[in-house]
Formats: sequence, structure tokens, C-alpha cells
Amino acid sequence: GDSVTQTEGLVTLTKGLPVMLNCTYQTTYSPFLFWYVQHLNEAPKLLLKSSTDNKRTEHQGFYATLHKSSSSFHLQKSSVQLSDSALYFCALSDRGSALGRLHFGAGTQLIVIP
Amino acid sequence: EAAVTQSPRSKVAVTGGKVTLSCHQTNNHDYMYWYRQDTGHGLRLIHYSYVADSTEKGDIPDGYKASRPSQENFSLILELASLSQTAVYFCASRDWGSQNTLYFGAGTRLSVL
Repeated sequence: GDSVTQTEGLVTLTKGLPVMLNCTYQTTYSPFLFWYVQHLNEAPKLLLKSSTDNKRTEHQGFYATLHKSSSSFHLQKSSVQLSDSALYFCALSDRGSALGRLHFGAGTQLIVIP
Repeated sequence: EAAVTQSPRSKVAVTGGKVTLSCHQTNNHDYMYWYRQDTGHGLRLIHYSYVADSTEKGDIPDGYKASRPSQENFSLILELASLSQTAVYFCASRDWGSQNTLYFGAGTRLSVL
């Protein structure tokens, strides 16, 4: 079945450093990938999404490229800020599914320290 | 942006008791979902609905019922709450044309004692 793997449960970084949060997926359908971000005591919100192979998508300084050849959709940022501290979820949707069912990874907690 | 309101925001329930979590959205979205969040498990789909008066089972429906009496409202019901149902519950909605973008409510923190 469809699944998403996020290998890092916790990432701690100093402000100003680059970050990459890993996301790989398995699906037999055409993939549609998402990153959601959840700040402390808030609802998850969409950060970015893509279904186009090898095209970089960006939002709020974060970027990701869907690579179908490696089944990956890693989230990156060149310089993290304190406000980036949050829980990040990678999610996969079967693009052919009209019901919008998303399969979420376990999440990566990003902590940015001064 | 879509508005999804959950109530209550937190609840303490006793084992074996009945719990109802409510969700209300004001954007005429067709689809509504209930997710459960546990540390290390991400978000898991419990029930969902794509039209009023109809609900569907998600990935982990056991021990939960759902009710969609109108397009705006979607409830999650725990008839006999158990310790293992302690979690944070999120409601979400989505419209037909938004390419699977979910709009989440603020969540309900449920503790079953």
C-alpha cells in the first residue's frame, strides 16, 4: 500500500544553518506529495505541494523537488530561523483519488536554537 | 482561508464513557475528515465524509463512529472511550477543486482516564 517515510524524528539546528528533512514514499499510482507544518499548539498547515517530476517548488523560503526516480520529496531551506521550529509532515496522495486521502509520515520535529 | 472550528479544545473522559467531538466548517467544503495524532505515528485517518448523511471508514475506524448531519458539521463519537484513545484529534475539510489541500481545525486534546 501507499506509505511515507520520514527518517528523522528530531532535528536540532543552530539558526542560520541549512536544513534538509527527508521524505521518501511508496505508491503504485502517480504521486502527489505535500509538506505540512505544525507549530506548537496550532493546526497543521500546508507548506508546499507538487506532482511534477524534477520541478522545484518553493514557499516561505522552503523548497522541495519531487524525484520520481528515487521516490523522494525532501524539504530544504538554506538558512533556518527560530520561527521555523515546528513539526513537519510529509504526505502522499494518490492523485487519482478523488477523495483526498492523504498518507502522512510520522513527522520530523525541527528545533532551531540561537 | 478556510475556517474549521473544533469543540471542545480539550476534554478529560472516563474509561467506558461516551465522548463526542464536534467540527464545524464555514466554507462549503464537500469533504471532511477526522485524523488522530500520536507521537511517532503522524496523522492517521479515522473517518471521512464527502457528502452530508454519509460517512466512510478511514484507516483506523475501530472504536469510533462518525456523523455528518449537514455539509458544515462532522462529529466523531467514541461510544466506549478507552485509554488507548488518548490522543489529539484533528478535523479537516477540503473542497473538490483544491487538489487535496486540507484545512485543519485547531485540534482537540482528549485524555481518557
